[in-house]
Amino acid sequence: GAVVSQHPSRVICKSGTSVKIECRSLDFQATTMFWYRQFPKQSLMLMATSNEGSKATYEQGVEKDKFLINHASLTLSTLTVTSAHPEDSSFYICSAREGGRDRTHFSYEQYFGPGTRLTVT
Amino acid sequence: DAKTTQPTSMDCAEGRAANLPCNHSTISGNEYVYWYRQIHSQGPQYIIHGLKNNETNEMASLIITEDRKSSTLILPHATLRDTAVYYCIVRVARKGGATNKLIFGTGTLLAVQP
Repeated sequence: GAVVSQHPSRVICKSGTSVKIECRSLDFQATTMFWYRQFPKQSLMLMATSNEGSKATYEQGVEKDKFLINHASLTLSTLTVTSAHPEDSSFYICSAREGGRDRTHFSYEQYFGPGTRLTVT
Repeated sequence: DAKTTQPTSMDCAEGRAANLPCNHSTISGNEYVYWYRQIHSQGPQYIIHGLKNNETNEMASLIITEDRKSSTLILPHATLRDTAVYYCIVRVARKGGATNKLIFGTGTLLAVQP
């Protein structure tokens, strides 16, 4: 159980275009999902917290208009990198925290997706 | 959340126990110690967590000092597939609207040698 998927696993896009990355919790509900970015040989950096049915909370220094997050259902959050540039090339990872609306299965644990490798040319 | 310090890298011989230390001297009473690992180009994988008592599961053991200022993750019989970056994270586990953010440090790169 507790599987998180990401799609696509790899994407190459041209500079100036937008790309959407999906994060799905496959066998549990997640009111909260998190988006991280990881550059080569560096640690994961938290970008934003995605809350189902409400606006995302962005970490300091992360442009909310560039990294659009939508958490429309309890099993899906999307990250759209708008007007991508080569410096946006990175490994994007999501995680999902188990917990439905009624909190009956509330868990503090986070489960991570396999990541999406974005390359902007 | 409190910060942690870990060695940058460690080597371990295959089949031997790998002991990964973590210092969290500013940990608060309500903060847990979590361990995750990240194999190259994959998402992090949860290993184990604890508050005060030592914990063991099918993957590893977690030894927390009595003053809770440091801990050690033990992989009892390391294999080549255990080569990864291991992250020690402390965070509060709380209910309600808290987001339970996980803040990753630099971690320890464990290289298991054949």
